[in-house]
Amino acid sequence: DTAVSQTPKYLVTQMGNDKSIKCEQNLGHDTMYWYKQDSKKFLKIMFSYNNKELIINETVPNRFSPKSPDKAHLNLHINSLELGDSAVYFCASSLQGGSYNSPLHFGNGTRLTVT
Amino acid sequence: GDSVTQMEGPVTLSEEAFLTINCTYTATGYPSLFWYVQYPGEGLQLLLKATKADDKGSNKGFEATYRKETTSFHLEKGSVQVSDSAVYFCALADMDSNYQLIWGAGTKLIIKP
Repeated sequence: DTAVSQTPKYLVTQMGNDKSIKCEQNLGHDTMYWYKQDSKKFLKIMFSYNNKELIINETVPNRFSPKSPDKAHLNLHINSLELGDSAVYFCASSLQGGSYNSPLHFGNGTRLTVT
Repeated sequence: GDSVTQMEGPVTLSEEAFLTINCTYTATGYPSLFWYVQYPGEGLQLLLKATKADDKGSNKGFEATYRKETTSFHLEKGSVQVSDSAVYFCALADMDSNYQLIWGAGTKLIIKP
């Protein structure tokens, strides 16, 4: 039933490790996003994919690499994790055309803690 | 570039109080304006939107009117409930932002019984 699902919900890991967060949407949307939310709730877009094609790639370290095997999935792989990567990561999706005409549907977030 | 400014939180109110959360924007074009809400432990969800000047968006007792003259989109509710406790985000999207959302910093609302 869940429209946008992310796994895992919590991820605790040590500095230097590599980890992945998975996202799947069953809404038939064409566009998927990754957002980072810091401890003060500030939201920052990281990536956006439209039909498996990267359309937004904000200034994020190249340790972060999104992968979209099909338009229903957008995974986020993070190499060499750093303390500053600790945050809540949200996956979202919308119809093609972006958020102007179509509301974003968010997953419930993955809380990443790097120790 | 486009930007959104919201009042800083947290905003703490008693149940049944009147709520206003201020939001102003800067945009060169004619943006669409949105309020999203994030309940504890959840992702954001669209609360309401307005696409042109003088439009009023409304949902779940919340309202916001698109005021071009004051570049504002303040969120209001006449009588808040404990269940309204959440973080509220104002956002805009227009041609200059390539139709991607430009977010405000979020305002945490705490309603006490």
